Amino acid sequence: SQKIEQNSEALNIQEGKTATLTCNYTNYSPAYLQWYRQDPGRGPVFLLLIRENEKEKRKERLKVTFDTTLKQSLFHITASQPADSATYLCALEGRGGADGLTFGKGTHLIIQP
Amino acid sequence: DTGVSQDPRHKITKRGQNVTFRCDPISEHNRLYWYRQTLGQGPEFLTYFQNEAQLEKSRLLSDRFSAERPKGSFSTLEIQRTEQGDSAMYLCASSQGLADYNEQFFGPGTRLTVL
Repeated sequence: SQKIEQNSEALNIQEGKTATLTCNYTNYSPAYLQWYRQDPGRGPVFLLLIRENEKEKRKERLKVTFDTTLKQSLFHITASQPADSATYLCALEGRGGADGLTFGKGTHLIIQP
Repeated sequence: DTGVSQDPRHKITKRGQNVTFRCDPISEHNRLYWYRQTLGQGPEFLTYFQNEAQLEKSRLLSDRFSAERPKGSFSTLEIQRTEQGDSAMYLCASSQGLADYNEQFFGPGTRLTVL
């Protein structure tokens, strides 16, 4: 069965440093990989999407890499701020969108002042 | 606010009762998804609509669950004969569906507690 692994333990990072979150998957060949942010009591918010034929995607302080050989994506937040503290979810998607997104459990990121 | 809305935000019910949730997607979005999320887990896909057609259902969606999207606008998710294991956050999401990929916009969710 499809499996997505994210570091389920909280990740503590000092403000101003780069936070790196990992998403590993097995038994899946996604066409797209997405990252979402979720704050307590709220629905996930889309951050970035990367296609299977892309290696890297950037948006402001965010960077995502996608290695389909290693079956891994890394999500980086540079110059981290306390406001970046949240749970970050990795989600896989096949072509067409008919199966919805397959989410990992998420990584709880805490940026300490 | 033109985002995805869900109603109610919270629902407490007794085991065996029926509950119905409503989702209003972003108006121009033709794709609508339902997910379920329990504490410490990521959202789990339940079902998907393309306009008014329900095109996919997860094995998680037992016979007690039914979803509709009349006229391709709002959607309802009904759970019959609720069980304690149904307690979760029920999330609705919508997307434009213009491309092969889906940037999904999520609502705030309906938190269900079954006593």
